[in-house]
Amino acid sequence: AQTVTQSQPEMSVQEAETVTLSCTYDTSENNYYLFWYKQPPSRQMILVIRQEAYKQQNATENRFSVNFQKAAKSFSLKISDSQLGDTAMYFCAFMKHGAGANSKLTFGKGITLSVRP
Amino acid sequence: NAGVTQTPKFQVLKTGQSMTLQCAQDMNHEYMSWYRQDPGMGLRLIHYSVGAGITDQGEVPNGYNVSRSTTEDFPLRLLSAAPSQTSVYFCASSLGGHIYEQYFGPGTRLTVT
Repeated sequence: AQTVTQSQPEMSVQEAETVTLSCTYDTSENNYYLFWYKQPPSRQMILVIRQEAYKQQNATENRFSVNFQKAAKSFSLKISDSQLGDTAMYFCAFMKHGAGANSKLTFGKGITLSVRP
Repeated sequence: NAGVTQTPKFQVLKTGQSMTLQCAQDMNHEYMSWYRQDPGMGLRLIHYSVGAGITDQGEVPNGYNVSRSTTEDFPLRLLSAAPSQTSVYFCASSLGGHIYEQYFGPGTRLTVT
């Protein structure tokens, strides 16, 4: 079974600064996907970024980038130029590669990020 | 294209009552699933379906039933609600195969008194 660990329950960052959210995971799989989801106060789950384990290059989406360390089973999210709208809960999630039942997501417990004006 | 819809948005039940949380998607997705979100616990998988007529249990299935008679709909049934089922419930769907992005509904906040 897979586990995802987010050890920091809360973080705070000044607007326009950079913040890094940590995530580690445990799996015996070699092929898998990792995700960061954002959940603002509206409660909607929004996919922020994804990483395929077979890709060595770290994924980037505008101000969001990841540091994927496969050997260390670490998957951190860096938010650059933080904005007030980034205030949300962020979840790290794991999915096995493949179809059918492999589509299950395993989530970490989440981290609450507050962006200060 | 409405995406993933869930009804109701909010519900209050008394212990022992039954109800069905509705989930529908109009994207012809094969894979659908139900999660519950509790404070400090993240999202945990309750049940999932890889296609019409096929369902399976997730991490926390006790107290919940599901069925998948059509591709579009995946209702979650609480047969006898308990206070421990107070939670926010999310339905999600994905195309399946090797298309892995999952789309989430807006959630249902359920309180059992």
